Parts: sequence; structure tokens; C-alpha cells
Amino acid sequence: DIQMTQSPSSLSASVGDRVTITCRTSQIIGTYLNWYQQKSGKAPKLLIYAASSFQSGVPSRFSGSGSGTDFTLTISSLQPEDFATYYCQQSYSSPYTFGQGTKVEI
Amino acid sequence: QVQLQESGPGLVKSSETLSLTCTVSGVSISSYYWSWSRQSPGKELEWIGYISYTGSTNYNPSLRSRVTVSVDTSKDQFSLKLTSVTPADTAVYFCARGPEGGSYNWFDPWGQGTLVTVSS
Repeated sequence: DIQMTQSPSSLSASVGDRVTITCRTSQIIGTYLNWYQQKSGKAPKLLIYAASSFQSGVPSRFSGSGSGTDFTLTISSLQPEDFATYYCQQSYSSPYTFGQGTKVEI
Repeated sequence: QVQLQESGPGLVKSSETLSLTCTVSGVSISSYYWSWSRQSPGKELEWIGYISYTGSTNYNPSLRSRVTVSVDTSKDQFSLKLTSVTPADTAVYFCARGPEGGSYNWFDPWGQGTLVTVSS
């Protein structure tokens, strides 16, 4: 299985801050990397697919980058509704695996 | 608008079979792949397996010997059965559409999730 390592596991930030979350994979996966947002008690929501493509309806303050083994999710200006846990997921090979999550707190 | 809703018992005894159903609305279930994932307390998401519109399945090797995913197109539902459960199978179980997106294999949308507790 491809192992996923996210960092940090949690972070504290303020509204308006620029936030960067990193995901590293245990083997090269090209751009087969997706990002999800999960609010407490809710279903995960797809934000970014193929490392840098926006899902429809996702605000432009979210962006993704990277290829190979290192990937980044950036929130350019944190908004109150962005406080949540973010997960990366590799889609290169089955079984599809997720990172352990990054909790973004106030 | 595509919506998914999980249903099933919230409490299962050890060694018994966990059975959940996902009801799909807003889209034909016959046109997509459908997956189950779970999230144990304090742990990351774990993909369990999927069923395609042709009925083919693919399971996580870690659970393959105990998992069956099936689909009932007449009811727009797909189901999960997990046999011989233990307290380690206690988790919130999610259904989702996918993998989709060609080779990019994302999951979207997801159901709200249902907590299943396995009692010893």
C-alpha cells in the first residue's frame, strides 16, 4: 500500500492567514492526488483532484500543487468556514489510501 | 443533486455481520462506481471497497476476506456486509460515489456517515 504522511497534524490560524498543508507519499504517484475537507460530524467534501484541479464550486482561495511524492494544499486567506480537517488521498493505485488529516483550528 | 444516505444497525455484536445500505438519489446508480469507506475514532479514513456499474468489485486487501459489496439497481441502493466483526471495526461508515474521474479516482459526493459500534 502507498503510505500517506500529512503535516502538520494540526495547526492554529486566524481569519485571513495563509495556510499550507503538506502531503507526502511513500512512492511516486505523478499527480494522482486528491484533497478533501471534512467538517466535524459531516461527510468529506472533494476540494481538489489531480493535485491541482478545482472541484466545481470550490472557492478560488484553495489551491493545490505538487507531483511525484510531495504535494501541497494552500488556503490563501483563511475564512471562518474553512476551519475543518483536511485529508489527502492517493488515487494512483488500489487500495486507495488517505493521509491522517490536518485539523485547522482557530 | 446527487445525495447518498447510509442506513443500518448502529450496534453489532462481536463475531456477527455488519450490514449497511446506501440509498442513492439524483442519479442513476447504474451509471457509476460506488464505494464504502470508514473512519475509526481518531484515525484516518480507510477505503473498504467499490462496486462498478457492471457489478465488478474491488476490495481493500486488508478486509477482502470479510467484505462483500453488492448493488440493487431496482432500489437505487448498494450495500456493505462485513463478517466476523470485532471492536476494531467500530467506526463511522461512509458511502460515496466513486472512484471516478478516469484514472484520478476521486470520491464525490459522500453520505453523512453512520456510526457502527461493535460490542464485545
